[in-house]
Amino acid sequence: DAGVTQSPTHLIKTRGQQVTLRCSPKSGHDTVSWYQQALGQGPQFIFQYYEEEERQRGNFPDRFSGHQFPNYSSELNVNALLLGDSALYLCASSLPDSNEKLFFGSGTQLSVL
Amino acid sequence: GQQLNQSPQSMFIQEGEDVSMNCTSSSIFNTWLWYKQDPGEGPVLLIALYKAGELTSNGRLTAQFGITRKDSFLNISASIPSDVGIYFCAGAIVNTDKLIFGTGTRLQVFP
Repeated sequence: DAGVTQSPTHLIKTRGQQVTLRCSPKSGHDTVSWYQQALGQGPQFIFQYYEEEERQRGNFPDRFSGHQFPNYSSELNVNALLLGDSALYLCASSLPDSNEKLFFGSGTQLSVL
Repeated sequence: GQQLNQSPQSMFIQEGEDVSMNCTSSSIFNTWLWYKQDPGEGPVLLIALYKAGELTSNGRLTAQFGITRKDSFLNISASIPSDVGIYFCAGAIVNTDKLIFGTGTRLQVFP
């Protein structure tokens, strides 16, 4: 049983560009959350998707957007990249009745130059 | 963004020693969780706590949900080299599924 998978593992972009990160949840999980982890910090909540809708959102600008597909997989899009967007982006999935118990992927390391 | 305060920030201990770390918040949480993150990986859930005062064990790990609901503690007994990593606490905000993570405690274990 595959866990949460994310792609790509690493990405290098320049300021102003746009990026799309992808996530497949653990089998049986229907809720996907995205977190940003800056170097030396704990993960920060970006948003959560359930039934293809954004259910909750953290304190991130509108440049950060997402999508969830009918198979529960999800994308995170970031527009107009800034240097400060450089971070590890983590996707986490959870069971329908246990949304606080997150199962994380290994993340996508984004570097903005 | 909001983060919980964890202490100590880092620990260097000898194999076989016991370890204690804690996490505090100015807000009340209805769920506390402890995660471990290895280099190049995402956090892995260790223990989940759901009730104030609750004490829960997972092998050599024991965690407690503080009675004020504003803190939590994690103890590791008889540490081994594979305990090396960064330990994060996380609190679930009441009536949301959003987790607030701590600043992390980096653990190094020497043989």
